[in-house]
Amino acid sequence: QLRLQESGPGLVKPSEILSLTCSVSGGSISSPGLFWAWIRQPPGKGLEWLGSIFYSGSTKYKASLEGRVTISADKSKNDFFLSLTSVTAADTGVYYCARLGARSGWDFDSWGQGVLVTVSS
Amino acid sequence: TVVTQEPSVSVSPGGTVTVTCGLTSGSVSTSLYPSWYQQTPGQAPRTIIYGTNIRSSGVPDRFSGSIVGDKAALTITGAQAEDEFDYHCVFYMGSGSVVFGGGTRVTVL
Repeated sequence: QLRLQESGPGLVKPSEILSLTCSVSGGSISSPGLFWAWIRQPPGKGLEWLGSIFYSGSTKYKASLEGRVTISADKSKNDFFLSLTSVTAADTGVYYCARLGARSGWDFDSWGQGVLVTVSS
Repeated sequence: TVVTQEPSVSVSPGGTVTVTCGLTSGSVSTSLYPSWYQQTPGQAPRTIIYGTNIRSSGVPDRFSGSIVGDKAALTITGAQAEDEFDYHCVFYMGSGSVVFGGGTRVTVL
C-alpha cells in the first residue's frame, strides 16, 4: 500500500527557506507516468497546488510561485522535496504531498497526512 | 485560471444537493478530468470522485459526479449527517499542473 509522509521544521522565520521532505513507501517515485505534488492549505482556507515533479524529474510550478518554489527528488531514497524561499506569514499552513496518478484521467490518488508549518519570528 | 465554487451549501437529511465548479476562462469538459475530494478540517483530503464521474472504492453510491452545463458537479442524493465535510474540486490543466476550487462546506440540517 502506498504511503506518503511529510517531514520538516514546523516553524520557519520570515524571509527564510521552508524545506520539506516527502518520504514515499509502498511504491516508487520512478514509476513511469506519475507525478508527485505538493499542496498546501492556509488556516481556514482551501487547498492550493504548489507544483509537481514528473517521474523523469521534470517539474511544473504554480505560476504565482515561480521563482520561489523548487521541487526536487532523490530517487535513491524514494523521497521528493519542497523548497520555498523568502517565506512570509502568508505561507503558513498545512503542507501535503500527494501522488497525481493516471487512472481514468489524473487525480490525487494518495495523500500524506500533512505537516503544519508556521512562519513566524 | 480561476475556479468558481460555492463557499457553502446546506441540505436537509435525505435531500439532494449539488456542488458545482466552473472556470472563469471557459467551459469545463471531461478533458480536464474533474475530481472531487472530501475533507474534515485538519485531516488529509480523500478522493471521492475522479475522471468526472468515477467513484473511488468505498464511496457510497449517493455520491455522483457529472458535467452540468459548463460546470463540473458533485451531487449527493439522499444526504446523511455523516456527509458534512468540505468538498474540493480539482481540474487537471496538463503537464502535471492542476487547479483547485476554493472548497464548499456542506451542511446537513
